[in-house]
Amino acid sequence: KNEVEQSPQNLTAQEGEFITINCSYSVGISALHWLQQHPGGGIVSLFMLSSGKKKHGRLIATINIQEKHSSLHITASHPRDSAVYICAVERSDKLIFGTGTRLQVFP
Amino acid sequence: DTGVSQNPRHKITKRGQNVTFRCDPISEHNRLYWYRQTLGQGPEFLTYFQNEAQLEKSRLLSDRFSAERPKGSFSTLEIQRTEQGDSAMYLCASSPGSSGNTIYFGEGSWLTVV
Repeated sequence: KNEVEQSPQNLTAQEGEFITINCSYSVGISALHWLQQHPGGGIVSLFMLSSGKKKHGRLIATINIQEKHSSLHITASHPRDSAVYICAVERSDKLIFGTGTRLQVFP
Repeated sequence: DTGVSQNPRHKITKRGQNVTFRCDPISEHNRLYWYRQTLGQGPEFLTYFQNEAQLEKSRLLSDRFSAERPKGSFSTLEIQRTEQGDSAMYLCASSPGSSGNTIYFGEGSWLTVV
């Protein structure tokens, strides 16, 4: 069993839909990161969380430390949001990554 | 803000050859990480540096892999006697310090071993 599990693995949506990606982890962590990866490889950090909730534009990330669970929400999704979203937990000074959620948003 | 720079971006090499990748982190970032990513998978930790000190190496990193960060600035990752299983994207990332900081990734270096 992977230490970081994401669901769903693939997600398609129509433009404007509200999207939720889930991440569960099984180890103690110091922080959780949500990352975005576009085709070609580059990874961009979206959020770094150790508790509670953060919001940046149309993106919201929450974490429940007791339940070892985090969610990434995208409101009013847009085709440019199409990417792979990766959850990564920070443990012992390094990141352990989930396998990612591939999101496609259609006009 | 020049970001984390990696080169070459793409490398095709014959099995058995040596390859070297370079990473230039964001200036003054103490931490530098190397990860490897294969298609359809999340990145896997390889090694990391605090300044010039290599603090940890993954068991994934065989003796054919070596990484250096000689002056605590740029880093190199060398793979000797490449094998087809080494084909992957090699990602470099840097951060200002210890845990709980935003981590900045490079664009990655794609390696294809033929």
